[in-house]
Amino acid sequence: DAGVTQSPTHLIKTRGQQVTLRCSPKSGHDTVSWYQQALGQGPQFIFQYYEEEERQRGNFPDRFSGHQFPNYSSELNVNALLLGDSALYLCASSPGDRNYGYTFGSGTRLTVV
Amino acid sequence: AQSVAQPEDQVNVAEGNPLTVKCTYSVSGNPYLFWYVQYPNRGLQFLLKYITGDNLVKGSYGFEAEFNKSQTSFHLKKPSALVSDSALYFCAVRDMGAAGNKLTFGGGTRVLVKP
Repeated sequence: DAGVTQSPTHLIKTRGQQVTLRCSPKSGHDTVSWYQQALGQGPQFIFQYYEEEERQRGNFPDRFSGHQFPNYSSELNVNALLLGDSALYLCASSPGDRNYGYTFGSGTRLTVV
Repeated sequence: AQSVAQPEDQVNVAEGNPLTVKCTYSVSGNPYLFWYVQYPNRGLQFLLKYITGDNLVKGSYGFEAEFNKSQTSFHLKKPSALVSDSALYFCAVRDMGAAGNKLTFGGGTRVLVKP
């Protein structure tokens, strides 16, 4: 049983560019949440998708957007990249939007230069 | 609003000695509480959770945590630490009454177990 799969593993982008990160949830899970973990800090909640809609959002600017597909996979898009967007981006999936059974992926390490 | 505090940036312990990692939380309602561990360049691995019931929760790899409502704490413990327990540990909380699945994490505590 595959867990949460994220791609790519690592990514280097230039300031001002746009990036798309991808997440496939664990089998049986229909809810996907995204977190940003800056170096030396705890993960910060970006947003959550359930039934292909953004259900909850953290304190992140509109440059951060997402999408959920009918097969429950999800994308995180970041526009106009800043140096401060460099971080590990974690995807977590769960069965249902009020469930507490979270499974995290290994993350995508984004470096903005 | 919900918040988590991990007051120690780093905990050093000798192998075989007891390990404690502290966590306090703040929520408006009742909490769901979690501990995760992170190894270098990896995602978060689930250790244990408190939802309801017994205040002492047993989890993976010999870890346990005690929920103390009056002190709003959820400290992680292991009776005998191993060198392989050296990692970054995160406490997280979710407000039981809040919509959605948002977890709020503490800043993390680095554990170093010396042989």
